[in-house]
Amino acid sequence: GDSVTQMEGPVTLSEEAFLTINCTYTATGYPSLFWYVQYPGEGLQLLLKATKADDKGSNKGFEATYRKETTSFHLEKGSVQVSDSAVYFCALSGQAGTALIFGKGTTLSVSS
Amino acid sequence: EAQVTQNPRYLITVTGKKLTVTCSQNMNHEYMSWYRQDPGLGLRQIYYSMNVEVTDKGDVPEGYKVSRKEKRNFPLILESPSPNQTSLYFCASKAGRSFAGELFFGEGSRLTVL
Repeated sequence: GDSVTQMEGPVTLSEEAFLTINCTYTATGYPSLFWYVQYPGEGLQLLLKATKADDKGSNKGFEATYRKETTSFHLEKGSVQVSDSAVYFCALSGQAGTALIFGKGTTLSVSS
Repeated sequence: EAQVTQNPRYLITVTGKKLTVTCSQNMNHEYMSWYRQDPGLGLRQIYYSMNVEVTDKGDVPEGYKVSRKEKRNFPLILESPSPNQTSLYFCASKAGRSFAGELFFGEGSRLTVL
């Protein structure tokens, strides 16, 4: 079945460091891909998305490119801030069209 | 303000005592869903509803019930809670049938079953 694998955390960075969180997927067909972010004590929020191969999603300085040849959707940010500390979830739209399939989440901690 | 509202936000209960977690959305969304979040497991879907009076099982439906009598409400019912249902629960909704769109989440309900 469809699945998402993202790098284990926690990821600990200093402010202004470069961030990469790896995400790969297994899916039949052509799923849409998403990154959601969960700040402490809150629900998940959509960070960015891409709906077809080679699309780049971007928001708040974060970027991710839908790579069908490597089945990947890695999240990147050039310069992280303390306020980026959160849990990041990679997700795909399942083939059945009834759910998002989530990775296990990666905790990011940024210190000043 | 567009939102998904869950209640209660926090609940401690005992094994076997029926409880209901309410979920309401004000965006006129057709689709609603419940997920549970557990450490090391991410989010797993419990139940979903594509529209009023239409519900179906997700990946982990055992021990849960839902109903969708109105478009805006999608309560999660634990008829006889057990400790393995201790978890963080999220309700979510979205417009239409396509999963290319955004899924909107509530703030979560943390349930502890003793």
